[in-house]
Formats: sequence, C-alpha cells, structure tokens
Amino acid sequence: DAGVIQSPRHEVTEMGQEVTLRCKPISGHNSLFWYRQTMMRGLELLIYFNNNVPIDDSGMPEDRFSAKMPNASFSTLKIQPSEPRDSAVYFCASSPPDRGHGYTFGSGTRLTVV
Amino acid sequence: AQSVTQPDIHITVSEGASLELRCNYSYGATPYLFWYVQSPGQGLQLLLKYFSGDTLVQGIKGFEAEFKRSQSSFNLRKPSVHWSDAAEYFCAVGAGGSYIPTFGRGTSLIVHP
Repeated sequence: DAGVIQSPRHEVTEMGQEVTLRCKPISGHNSLFWYRQTMMRGLELLIYFNNNVPIDDSGMPEDRFSAKMPNASFSTLKIQPSEPRDSAVYFCASSPPDRGHGYTFGSGTRLTVV
Repeated sequence: AQSVTQPDIHITVSEGASLELRCNYSYGATPYLFWYVQSPGQGLQLLLKYFSGDTLVQGIKGFEAEFKRSQSSFNLRKPSVHWSDAAEYFCAVGAGGSYIPTFGRGTSLIVHP
C-alpha cells in the first residue's frame, strides 16, 4: 500500500488566493482526518470524516476553511481566501474502522501564504 | 475532555545511551495511548500503542512504553539510542466514544555522537 498520499508537498501562494489541498487515504480505511501543525499551537484536529460524512468540524478555524470528501478515496481541504496566518503544515490521516490501531499520516503539505 | 502533557520540550542524549521520554495524560477511564515519531519533513509514524492487556508494550525500532495507571503516565523508553532516532516524538491519548487522539506538544530528541 502506498500509504496516505497528500498533494502538493509544498504550496506557496499569495494572500487572498484560493488554496486546495488534496488527500488520498489508504484503501479500506473509513475515517479521514485533517490536522494542522504549527509551532505555536502544535497539532490541531480540523475536521474528520467517517464513511465520507463530516462528523466534527469544530476545529475548522473560520468559514474560510472548508473540507469535502466526495468518495472514499479522495478528500480536499480548501482555504478561500488564504491569509498569512494560515501558513502551516497540513496533515491528512486515515484509520480503519477500529481506531484503536492508530492512524496513518501522510507526509503533509507545507503551506506558505505571503 | 482528555489531555496530554509532555513535560520535556527538548531531550539531548549521547548515542548509545538509554532514553526515556515522559508523557502524562488526563482522562477518567482507561484511554487508548499512542506514541508517534516525526522525522524532519515527514508525517507522523506510529511507534506503539496501548489499549488493554500487558502494560509494557513493544513497538517498532526497539522502542517500548509502559502504562502506569496510578501515575497516569505512558513513558517511552529505548535502551540504546542511535543517531537516526533524532526526531520529534508525540504522545497521544484517544478517549471517549470516538477515540480520536489528542496530541501532546511533542519532545524533540537530539542525539550527540
């Protein structure tokens, strides 16, 4: 298995532009999670999906952030419009139905908004 | 709600020395406990996990951790550290019906030759 695949690995964009981050979870995993990592706040859960349905988006910082999971093999996290304070590493993770086995993380997308 | 504390922001050890990284959690019942490692520019990799049974758990790369309920701790250990172990280590606790992990702030391990 190729693991959790995220794209792009790096994204540099100008303030005000729309940014879309992509994630392909591991086949057979039915839960998908988006995390944001910053020096100031550590790892924060933004949103998670179970069987493609958003369950808890209380971690999404503002209405500028949105996430979708149109099918079991693809999810997007969109920021529109982007701001410099959105600069962070965004991780996608997936887990099988038994979450006690832990999550598998992607390599992350490093977003820089200038 | 559950929480995790990793008291040490940085730990420096010499190659070949033993290692213990501390983790304390707060949760009323027995949680799921995890240790993850993050190498520079990489995602988090699961080292080991505990959710029941033997309180001493073995993980990958020669790591082990011991769950101590009385101390609400889940410390990570390794008898002999290798230079390649230099990385960021995260303890996480998963609790409640969803078991979604809450992560600590991490401990950065520096290994001197």
